[in-house]
Amino acid sequence: EPEVTQTPSHQVTQMGQEVILRCVPISNHLYFYWYRQILGQKVEFLVSFYNNEISEKSEIFDDQFSVERPDGSNFTLKIRSTKLEDSAMYFCATQRTGEGTQYFGPGTRLTVL
Amino acid sequence: KNEVEQSPQNLTAQEGEFITINCSYSVGISALHWLQQHPGGGIVSLFMLSSGKKKHGRLIATINIQEKHSSLHITASHPRDSAVYICAVMKRGADGLTFGKGTHLIIQP
Repeated sequence: EPEVTQTPSHQVTQMGQEVILRCVPISNHLYFYWYRQILGQKVEFLVSFYNNEISEKSEIFDDQFSVERPDGSNFTLKIRSTKLEDSAMYFCATQRTGEGTQYFGPGTRLTVL
Repeated sequence: KNEVEQSPQNLTAQEGEFITINCSYSVGISALHWLQQHPGGGIVSLFMLSSGKKKHGRLIATINIQEKHSSLHITASHPRDSAVYICAVMKRGADGLTFGKGTHLIIQP
């Protein structure tokens, strides 16, 4: 069964450094999402992406964050200058159509020191 | 106030028991999702509902749109059902999901 993959599984970085989290969606999916989950808290929506542009973003998704699909396969989340409070599990999710099941990747655990 | 509320927050039951997890929401929605989060952190979609009832194996999900309430039932519970069960809604006009805090379920042998 096709699945969403994410790399790396765990990233440790120093505060102020840039990180790029990568997601490979299921091949015929057109809608892409990033969510985050701070340890012990609920999952939160960050951004949705369709047709090579952001379709919706949350208040969390400030100027430090960006997303792109550079090569038509990978879907990336970049954090330009990480802060301690960016430490969380980041999940990519993909969806074939605008309505339907979202398929989640295994997550990337980001630790900012 | 959270837009998606789940109860109970924690539930411990014996193997074989019938389990019910509840979800209430306070916004207009286009769909409601039930998700399972494993101890390792991975999230699996169980159901997507916009009306009525769905069944998959020992899992049943129902939704009452008028009352803004959904339930997830597990019949003949088993220790492997131990996980966090999360209710999430797609608000009308929105793209991303809005999540509840989850129900931490432990099934003891």
